[in-house]
Formats: sequence, structure tokens, C-alpha cells
Amino acid sequence: QVQVQQSGPGLVKPSQTLSLTCAISGDSVSSNYAAWNWIRQSPSRGLEWLGRTYFRSKWYNDYAVSVKSRITINPDTSKNQFSLQLNSVTPEDTAVYYCARGAVAGMDVWGQGTTVTVSS
Amino acid sequence: QSVLTQPPSVSAAPGQKVTISCSGSSSNIGNNYVSWYQQLPGTAPKLLIYDNDKRPSGIPDRFSGSKSGTSATLGITGLQTGDEADYYCATWDSSLSAGVFGGGTKLTVL
Repeated sequence: QVQVQQSGPGLVKPSQTLSLTCAISGDSVSSNYAAWNWIRQSPSRGLEWLGRTYFRSKWYNDYAVSVKSRITINPDTSKNQFSLQLNSVTPEDTAVYYCARGAVAGMDVWGQGTTVTVSS
Repeated sequence: QSVLTQPPSVSAAPGQKVTISCSGSSSNIGNNYVSWYQQLPGTAPKLLIYDNDKRPSGIPDRFSGSKSGTSATLGITGLQTGDEADYYCATWDSSLSAGVFGGGTKLTVL
């Protein structure tokens, strides 16, 4: 069955870059029907969709307005994974980060979650 | 403030039925499919309903979804103590070109 496995540091210093990776098994990051999403959750913001990458003859990205100037989501076809980079982080970026597969109109496979704390 | 509006909490007795509402606008629920998620404490959200009213394999038919205009509803019948969780609606917002979630509803089974 399809699984996604997250990895990355749990502590990031203010003003630095948060980087997480989501490894896919049982599906392809280049799938023509799936989209690969990043979502975060904090007590103050609830569940917040951050962005996605997907392939439909070429690569596309969509990003949330709240992070659009700071976020990059990249596919890595050689490793069948995708990544999240969030620049210039502040303590407000402290959250549990999830990756998830979007298929049909719903996110059906979720990663285990990574707690990221922004602190010096 | 979330783009989609849900009640903060609902409660009902075991065996009873409960509904959770999700209100949006024409740019999101009104013109896009709605999905629903269950989140048990300390775990990732789990897809319960997609395409407004479809259940993924393995989700019992006690869970149902519907949509009318710019609102959607999750229904749960035959409530069990194991259904105590947070429930979230989600959809695409065509004006924002972004995914959006509701603020979540905490279900208590008394």
C-alpha cells in the first residue's frame, strides 16, 4: 500500500530555513493523478495547508498565500520523494508538519508528522 | 480565522447520531469537492469522506457526507466512544488557488 515517510530536523533557529523530506513508497511522485502536499498544525492556526506539487505532463506548484514568499516544494524523481523548504522562519512557524498524498478530492495518505520548533 | 467555519464542539450519547457542519462560500465549497478528516489525539488526520459523500475503503457506513450550496455536513450514526476525536472539513478555494481547512470540531461522546 502507499506510504509516505517524513524526515528532517525538529529544531530550527529563527531566520534560518526549515527543510523536510517526504519519501514515497507504493506510488510515484510523478503520478498523473496524485498531488503531494505539505500541511502544518499548531494550536493557534489549526490545520493549515501549505502547498503542493504535482505532475500533469509538466510540474506544477500551488502555495498558500500566507507562506508564498517563503516556501518551496520540490519533487525529486530520482529518490521518489518531495521536499519542503520554508525560509526565514520565526517562532510562529513552530508546528507539527505533515506530508500527504492528494488523490481524487481528498488527502488519503499522511505522514507520521514532524514536530518542528523554531527557537534559538 | 479559518476560511471554512465549523462549530468548535458537538456532543452526543453513545448510539446516537451527530452532525457537524462546515460553512464556506462560492469560491470554495460552492464549486469544489469537500473532504472530511478524523484526528485522534496524537495522530495524523485520517480521510473519512472525499468527493463530498464518498467513503474510502475501510471507513464504516456510520460516517456520511453531504453538500448543499456553500455548506457541507458530516454525519455519524451509532456513536461509539472511539469516535471521540477532532473532525475537520477541507476543500479547494478557487479564488485563493489553495487548499483550505475548517477550524475543526471536537466530538465528545458522553
